[in-house]
Amino acid sequence: GESVGLHLPTLSVQEGDNSIINCAYSNSASDYFIWYKQESGKGPQFIIDIRSNMDKRQGQRVTVLLNKTVKHLSLQIAATQPGDSAVYFCAENAGGTSYGKLTFGQGTILTVHP
Amino acid sequence: DGGITQSPKYLFRKEGQNVTLSCEQNLNHDAMYWYRQDPGQGLRLIYYSQIVNDFQKGDIAEGYSVSREKKESFPLTVTSAQKNPTAFYLCASTTPGEGNTIYFGEGSWLTVV
Repeated sequence: GESVGLHLPTLSVQEGDNSIINCAYSNSASDYFIWYKQESGKGPQFIIDIRSNMDKRQGQRVTVLLNKTVKHLSLQIAATQPGDSAVYFCAENAGGTSYGKLTFGQGTILTVHP
Repeated sequence: DGGITQSPKYLFRKEGQNVTLSCEQNLNHDAMYWYRQDPGQGLRLIYYSQIVNDFQKGDIAEGYSVSREKKESFPLTVTSAQKNPTAFYLCASTTPGEGNTIYFGEGSWLTVV
């Protein structure tokens, strides 16, 4: 799994480009995954989720891909806009009686340049 | 408007004091959570409650206490036993019908002075 460090991974893109943010998860029993967007000084906002019986799910301008073989999750943002600049977190949940009990990755800082 | 309300937004604590952060939700969610976020890091679970009058320790419960006397309220007390309390605190809630998606409040900043 991801270790917690003082320096988050960063991704810088130009406005209009596509962005891909990656996340490795640790628990092979996790059956539910979520991507959150967090702007400075605010709480995380739900972006998109995916269950372990799927490998791809699309939303508005976003796509989440899940590769259970290598325990990897990615978030693709199409036509990235300056308003997409934020920290993006993946989270995993083992489900069952632990519903809602999420384990978060360390996050990735996305900066979109106009 | 429906949502999760945290207060205060900013709080300063003197060393040795207990402080309580408020979290109220009007979403009729069964489960509520408290997370701590340090600068440049992810979220770590402090306590959670899946039903009224019951709560469980998360990964970093030491120095914190909670209560769940009402479904809509889940206050967090940061005690003097918490040696490094300066952080951003996030309250969240969900219910089984939401499919495990949890929703967050806007957070409370706690600083020790």
